[in-house]
Amino acid sequence: EAQVTQNPRYLITVTGKKLTVTCSQNMNHEYMSWYRQDPGLGLRQIYYSMNVEVTDKGDVPEGYKVSRKEKRNFPLILESPSPNQTSLYFCASSLKGTSGLQYFGAGTRLSVL
Amino acid sequence: SQKIEQNSEALNIQEGKTATLTCNYTNYSPAYLQWYRQDPGRGPVFLLLIRENEKEKRKERLKVTFDTTLKQSLFHITASQPADSATYLCALENYGGSQGNLIFGKGTKLSVKP
Repeated sequence: EAQVTQNPRYLITVTGKKLTVTCSQNMNHEYMSWYRQDPGLGLRQIYYSMNVEVTDKGDVPEGYKVSRKEKRNFPLILESPSPNQTSLYFCASSLKGTSGLQYFGAGTRLSVL
Repeated sequence: SQKIEQNSEALNIQEGKTATLTCNYTNYSPAYLQWYRQDPGRGPVFLLLIRENEKEKRKERLKVTFDTTLKQSLFHITASQPADSATYLCALENYGGSQGNLIFGKGTKLSVKP
């Protein structure tokens, strides 16, 4: 089954404790991206990757890091999480960059205390 | 950079009626525009993509139009059903930003009453 898998689905952590949210897709997609979704602000892109070893900033990259060492994986790293990073996070992938339909993961709900 | 607006935060309609949702953008005319459905707590699900050279696209009860003069896309659901209740998002590439920067509207929450 074609899917984008995020882990964990729920995470509660404390300020400053490094964390990684994993994202994996099984569709051999070149394009992957991360979004955060906040009430009243909608979906905002954090980082995206056009292909392996190619990453670029989206609209709200501050406080986040990503890497794309393999085609299927695109982890999101919060080196020193802060309460303003409490949000619902989505990973997405696409065969054809932004012009292709985006497949989204189920989401990761993060709370930073 | 590009801005995208979905005029209504919420839309309430009666079952059987046609729902019409609006997506407006500023600045650059995108090569395509996408529509997604999102249910509470879940990831968006792709519905339709329309290209700049397409005036209209249909899929079952869904219809999307694209007017590059008005800088607007309309999303229609005909014969609406309570199961169509969800938030609908439009998205396009942020020309003027980096290639690969996809931006979404804030969405319109549709409620279809029986």
